[in-house]
Amino acid sequence: DTGVSQNPRHKITKRGQNVTFRCDPISEHNRLYWYRQTLGQGPEFLTYFQNEAQLEKSRLLSDRFSAERPKGSFSTLEIQRTEQGDSAMYLCASRPGQGGTQYFGPGTRLLVL
Amino acid sequence: KNEVEQSPQNLTAQEGEFITINCSYSVGISALHWLQQHPGGGIVSLFMLSSGKKKHGRLIATINIQEKHSSLHITASHPRDSAVYICAVNTGNQFYFGTGTSLTVIP
Repeated sequence: DTGVSQNPRHKITKRGQNVTFRCDPISEHNRLYWYRQTLGQGPEFLTYFQNEAQLEKSRLLSDRFSAERPKGSFSTLEIQRTEQGDSAMYLCASRPGQGGTQYFGPGTRLLVL
Repeated sequence: KNEVEQSPQNLTAQEGEFITINCSYSVGISALHWLQQHPGGGIVSLFMLSSGKKKHGRLIATINIQEKHSSLHITASHPRDSAVYICAVNTGNQFYFGTGTSLTVIP
């Protein structure tokens, strides 16, 4: 499968724990996006990378959230000291360039107890 | 106020009906996307538009840049079209999404 993949698909954690999600984009895509989606809402932009550079961060991305894309390929999103309000679907998408279509991964569903 | 507004929020149609979903946006964009999301979360890109009209099978998408408005039409709707349809706009660096239109097509 050469689409965008995300791991894990589901994560249940206790409040206060740290979690890390991984996104593997389509290999030739240099732009990678992270979004968060809660029930009944559209995705909300969190951050995006062009190659390894993080070019844009949403105000939604508090200091407990950090994202990396160290080699310009896969990306990780870490949430420290999780809160119940962090429960959501975390979506990753990639695209080849500014004019290309985004391809979405299946998402990681996080539940913070 | 959201940058992207969609209507209706929910839509139920009989199989075979012609369906229209509307999207209005308030920001300058380089492109507008229509996405389809099925239960379980998977999102598929249907169209990317910067002007005019595109057609793919029974789906038609139009955009009016001056009015900052786009429509997604489904002709001869089918139960397998049941999904959430999301409008998203690309401002260059960011994407803004509507809350989606939940479509149910009844056989």
